[in-house]
Amino acid sequence: GIQVEQSPPDLILQEGANSTLRCNFSDSVNNLQWFHQNPWGQLINLFYIPSGTKQNGRLSATTVATERYSLLYISSSQTTDSGVYFCAVRGGSNYKLTFGKGTLLTVNP
Amino acid sequence: EAQVTQNPRYLITVTGKKLTVTCSQNMNHEYMSWYRQDPGLGLRQIYYSMNVEVTDKGDVPEGYKVSRKEKRNFPLILESPSPNQTSLYFCASQTLDSYNEQFFGPGTRLTVL
Repeated sequence: GIQVEQSPPDLILQEGANSTLRCNFSDSVNNLQWFHQNPWGQLINLFYIPSGTKQNGRLSATTVATERYSLLYISSSQTTDSGVYFCAVRGGSNYKLTFGKGTLLTVNP
Repeated sequence: EAQVTQNPRYLITVTGKKLTVTCSQNMNHEYMSWYRQDPGLGLRQIYYSMNVEVTDKGDVPEGYKVSRKEKRNFPLILESPSPNQTSLYFCASQTLDSYNEQFFGPGTRLTVL
């Protein structure tokens, strides 16, 4: 099956800093999504981005499908951005999402 | 509002007492799925359904049952829960259009004593 690797595993920032999270995947994909898991455990859907670039406020994402990676950019980080960020992909005819292990982001005031 | 709902959100139970976690979606999605999330193991698929009366095993189906009698509902049944089923459970749904995002419910945190 598809392998998904996320880096870095942990990231500590001061409020206001920018960051880039990376997701590498091992095969072509039909679907790539970025999620934020908040402290209550909910998975918040940030982006559906199998290719190209999208922006939503302080967050943006880019997927280069031909090179099998995606980047999530967080600008001017806030303490509420803390949590785990997951990349999840789906390939072929299987609708199962394969998740990476996540990046634990801590934003300090 | 388009959404996937799960109930209950939190549950503490004892070994062997049958329980059902409900999942419902209001987006007319054909595909529904259950995942469990465990520390160090990430999210793993338990069961999925491509449409009404069509279900199949995911990666970790042991100890679970599902049914899909209506398009909007996909309950997860634990006939005889055990402590190793303590986990955070997510229901998800999407259309069968390949290029479409998957929507997740808010999660159910289950503790089996």
